Amino acid sequence: ILNVEQSPQSLHVQEGDSTNFTCSFPSSNFYALHWYRWETAKSPEALFVMTLNGDEKKKGRISATLNTKEGYSYLYIKGSQPEDSATYLCAPYNQGGKLIFGQGTELSVKP
Amino acid sequence: EAGVAQSPRYKIIEKRQSVAFWCNPISGHATLYWYQQILGQGPKLLIQFQNNGVVDDSQLPKDRFSAERLKGVDSTLKIQPAKLEDSAVYLCASSLLRGFTDTQYFGPGTRLTVL
Repeated sequence: ILNVEQSPQSLHVQEGDSTNFTCSFPSSNFYALHWYRWETAKSPEALFVMTLNGDEKKKGRISATLNTKEGYSYLYIKGSQPEDSATYLCAPYNQGGKLIFGQGTELSVKP
Repeated sequence: EAGVAQSPRYKIIEKRQSVAFWCNPISGHATLYWYQQILGQGPKLLIQFQNNGVVDDSQLPKDRFSAERLKGVDSTLKIQPAKLEDSAVYLCASSLLRGFTDTQYFGPGTRLTVL
């Protein structure tokens, strides 16, 4: 069973701050890493699917990098806005053909 | 396109009662998933269907949980009887295929409270 760790568990920032958090996963038998954003009372929303070592993806003010050799991914948010408040989940895809979710990083952005 | 629909959104029951959740995936999506998300943890896959066949139910507590996907479209997840530890958000997701890069699209979930 994959051990997926996300840190920090929660983060409180001011509007305009830039922030980043980490997803750690076993580097062996890597297939892909998925990032999701889950706002309260809404559906989890797919952000990125990353497959290649050194991959970098960007969507607006959010970007992510991937290091498959050491087993980690960083998610960055530039100039956080209150609407970025959500739980950010990472999920590597394992050999068994399923996503294994981390516990998430809960981000709160204060105006 | 319409997203994944789930109902009900909220449910409160007493322990030992039964409960059922319904999911309508995105049209044309062959793969359907049910996840359980307990507070403070990430979503955990309970069962995965490919069309109307079960692909993976290794983490489904089969003594009390059951799920079906009729005609390869809608799906229901049932808990009978419920325990306190079943309190969680139950998420349904669907994807076009089962590949490692296929995005899973989630519904809003059903928040279950067992008293």
